[in-house]
Amino acid sequence: LAKTTQPISMDSYEGQEVNITCSHNNIATNDYITWYQQFPSQGPRFIIQGYKTKVTNEVASLFIPADRKSSTLSLPRVSLSDTAVYYCLVGPWNTGFQKLVFGTGTRLLVSP
Amino acid sequence: NAGVTQTPKFQVLKTGQSMTLQCAQDMNHNSMYWYRQDPGMGLRLIYYSASEGTTDKGEVPNGYNVSRLNKREFSLRLESAAPSQTSVYFCAGNRDNQGNYGYTFGSGTRLTVV
Repeated sequence: LAKTTQPISMDSYEGQEVNITCSHNNIATNDYITWYQQFPSQGPRFIIQGYKTKVTNEVASLFIPADRKSSTLSLPRVSLSDTAVYYCLVGPWNTGFQKLVFGTGTRLLVSP
Repeated sequence: NAGVTQTPKFQVLKTGQSMTLQCAQDMNHNSMYWYRQDPGMGLRLIYYSASEGTTDKGEVPNGYNVSRLNKREFSLRLESAAPSQTSVYFCAGNRDNQGNYGYTFGSGTRLTVV
């Protein structure tokens, strides 16, 4: 699995847009980029996945440049409830069994 | 509710005691996993089961054993607990052929070994 690098922590205020960047210089052609969110005292949950360009859902947007060596998770107008750890993972899609390997993630703290 | 259910939610053990953490899923997942998460750290894979009847070691298997009892259940056993095993343990399941997508985690078991 491609190694990922993301900031250890970020701070924001309610109502702001938050962008968390993940570097994955060794991403392979068949790798997808996936983000998980973990609230305190809970297990991680899937929030978004993409291959290239831009993906948007009701929770977040994912921006992936043409070279795919990085990606940016964008959270619009964050609230206190968005305080969580965000994990970036890179790995192939649709290849059968896949172990999920987490890094330390980015700890986002949203303040009033 | 459908999902991944872990029991117990909290446990305190004395050094040397044994216990089994239970995990059950009703999402027809083929693969199941046990992770541990230490304070301020990411999740580390202990053991996994790619399919019913198979188990394999992850990053940090020492001191643990697992059993894939059937497709629904995947248990983690600590034979002789040590303080270094104080952690939060998460069980997860996934359908195959979906890469990093589609993992469902349980709510965790917070284990303290004194």
